[in-house]
Amino acid sequence: QTVVTQEPSFSVSPGGTVTLTCGLRSGAVSTGYYPSWFQQTPGQAPRTLIYNTSIRPSGVPDRFSGTLLGNKAALIITGAQADDESVYYCLLYMDNMGSDTWVFGGGTKLTVL
Amino acid sequence: QVQLQQSGPGLVKPSQTLSLTCAISGDSVSTNSASWNWIRLSPSRGLEWLGRTYYKSKWYYGYAPSVKSRIIIKPDTSKNQFSLELSSVTPEDAALYYCAREVNGGNLLWGQGTPVTVSS
Repeated sequence: QTVVTQEPSFSVSPGGTVTLTCGLRSGAVSTGYYPSWFQQTPGQAPRTLIYNTSIRPSGVPDRFSGTLLGNKAALIITGAQADDESVYYCLLYMDNMGSDTWVFGGGTKLTVL
Repeated sequence: QVQLQQSGPGLVKPSQTLSLTCAISGDSVSTNSASWNWIRLSPSRGLEWLGRTYYKSKWYYGYAPSVKSRIIIKPDTSKNQFSLELSSVTPEDAALYYCAREVNGGNLLWGQGTPVTVSS
C-alpha cells in the first residue's frame, strides 16, 4: 500500500516541459509535508533537485522547479534534455502523533524521446 | 564542505545483523540543525527511508514502520559518526544503502552508497 503516489512513468520530447506529481493516498500535500525531489541515475548516488517544496540547492539548473499544484506537489522540468532521463522520487515528511518519519514515493521513470 | 563516508561489510548472512557506519566531516553529529538518515535503494522498492537520529537538547530517533522492530540507528559523538544496525536480515534486505544528512526540510546530502548482499 503506497502512501505517497507518483506516476510510474512519463515521457517528454527533447526541449519539452513535463510536470511530475507527488500525492497522498489520502489527503492533500501541503508545505507542511516539506516535499522534496530527487533524481536517481544508475550507478550514481541520488541527487537532490528540490527541497522544502520549491527550494533549489546550489548547482541545480533553474529548469528544475518545484511547487504545489492542486492537492499535490509537483516537479516541473522545462527544456528537457537527454540526460534528464532518470527515475525521479519525491519525499514527504509525515508527523503522526509525534512520531515523525519521511516517506518516499514509488518513483517516476522519465523517458526523453 | 560536508562529506559522508560509509563503511561496512557488503555481504551479510540471512538471519544475521547488517551493520554500517557513516563518518561525518565538515559537520557535527550533535548539531541541532541536521538529522542523520539511512536510506536504501532496491529494484523492487525504489528508494526507502529507513530511519534517522537527531539532537535537540537530547537524542531523538525515528524509524520506518516496515523495519521498526529490527533497526537501530546510533550516533557516536566521540568519532563523529552514526551507524545502522538491521537485524534478522533476509534476501529482501539486499539493497544499496545510503547514509544522508538532512537539513532545512528535506535537503539531503548523500553518502557514496554501500551495496549489501544477503547470502549464505
